[in-house]
Amino acid sequence: KAGVTQTPRYLIKTRGQQVTLSCSPISGHRSVSWYQQTPGQGLQFLFEYFSETQRNKGNFPGRFSGRQFSNSRSEMNVSTLELGDSALYLCASSLLADSYNEQFFGPGTRLTVL
Amino acid sequence: AQTVTQSQPEMSVQEAETVTLSCTYDTSESDYYLFWYKQPPSRQMILVIRQEAYKQQNATENRFSVNFQKAAKSFSLKISDSQLGDAAMYFCAYRNEANQAGTALIFGKGTTLSVSS
Repeated sequence: KAGVTQTPRYLIKTRGQQVTLSCSPISGHRSVSWYQQTPGQGLQFLFEYFSETQRNKGNFPGRFSGRQFSNSRSEMNVSTLELGDSALYLCASSLLADSYNEQFFGPGTRLTVL
Repeated sequence: AQTVTQSQPEMSVQEAETVTLSCTYDTSESDYYLFWYKQPPSRQMILVIRQEAYKQQNATENRFSVNFQKAAKSFSLKISDSQLGDAAMYFCAYRNEANQAGTALIFGKGTTLSVSS
């Protein structure tokens, strides 16, 4: 079974631009979560989606948004990019939106904002 | 709000030796899950071991075991017979029992483990 895939793997943008990152969960998984990883702040939770509904959102500004499609694929969008948005963005999928099921992580998208 | 603290930014161990990584957490919940994740240089986050808070028995996965002290809110990871492939950053993580607020993982800052031959 294929793992979680994230595209693109690397991205370079300039301040003020917007960016869309994509995540395809493991087949059959219906829950997708997004995390931001930076050297300073570590791993921080962004969003959680289940069956196209956002169940939970982390403490990030409104420039960060996301959505989930009917096939469980998810996208996250960051508008008006800032230098501090440079980070590794990790997507994780799980079978259901419960704490028991393991979250499987993708390889991440490395975003650099210049 | 729940927090996870890893007080050791870096640790080192020699091959075949044993090392223990520390983690403490803070929560007012009684039902929750604790995890150790490994992140090698490839950045692929891999689950090492998990512990359900309602279970008194410490979890074990091959060379990896935990010491879960619920009253002390402590969750350490012991790696026995360390191997070069164990070199990575290790994250301790907490997750509430599912509720309306979702099931987000709360991570510690991580411990970088180096293994020497």
